[in-house]
Amino acid sequence: GEDVEQSLFLSVREGDSSVINCTYTDSSSTYLYWYKQEPGAGLQLLTYIFSNMDMKQDQRLTVLLNKKDKHLSLRIADTQTGDSAIYFCASGSYIPTFGRGTSLIVHP
Amino acid sequence: SQTIHQWPATLVQPVGSPLSLECTVEGTSNPNLYWYRQAAGRGLQLLFYSVGIGQISSEVPQNLSASRPQDRQFILSSKKLLLSDSGFYLCAWSRQGLAGTDTQYFGPGTRLTVL
Repeated sequence: GEDVEQSLFLSVREGDSSVINCTYTDSSSTYLYWYKQEPGAGLQLLTYIFSNMDMKQDQRLTVLLNKKDKHLSLRIADTQTGDSAIYFCASGSYIPTFGRGTSLIVHP
Repeated sequence: SQTIHQWPATLVQPVGSPLSLECTVEGTSNPNLYWYRQAAGRGLQLLFYSVGIGQISSEVPQNLSASRPQDRQFILSSKKLLLSDSGFYLCAWSRQGLAGTDTQYFGPGTRLTVL
């Protein structure tokens, strides 16, 4: 079946950029997604990218898609302590497959 | 706008007791509905999904069942809880339709602890 892989942890300093990476196997994915989960809460849709796009920018968020390598990344500019959360990558053409999530830790 | 509700928010139940978790969606019609479990390893495990009233697909064999008695209501149940049923249960919805309209929107979750 489909597989989505993410590193489990990322630690950055406040004000720096964060880059969270994801690889996926489902080449038929129409959309690829990034979700954010804060402690004790549900998943919040952060952004998504259509599979025929290379890049999407939304304020501090930049999504890059390399379809050839099946690699997706999420860049957060000027990372703040409020960005500390678990970030999930998801891909799929019908029911998305989720990665295990990357814990982003932002320290002063 | 659409809203998804789950209750209860937290639940502590003894082993062997029954379970009923409820999810409702407002502001949309005929949604696809999903139940996920998120265990300590943080990954999301798809348990059930439904494309319409009375239509339930089960992704993994388990101690749980799901029902959809109304268009925007999705219920997760168990007759006898096991310790391994502990976890964070998330309900989600997506729009029906063409491929590429499968963006999922999640509820706030229910934390279930089985003792």
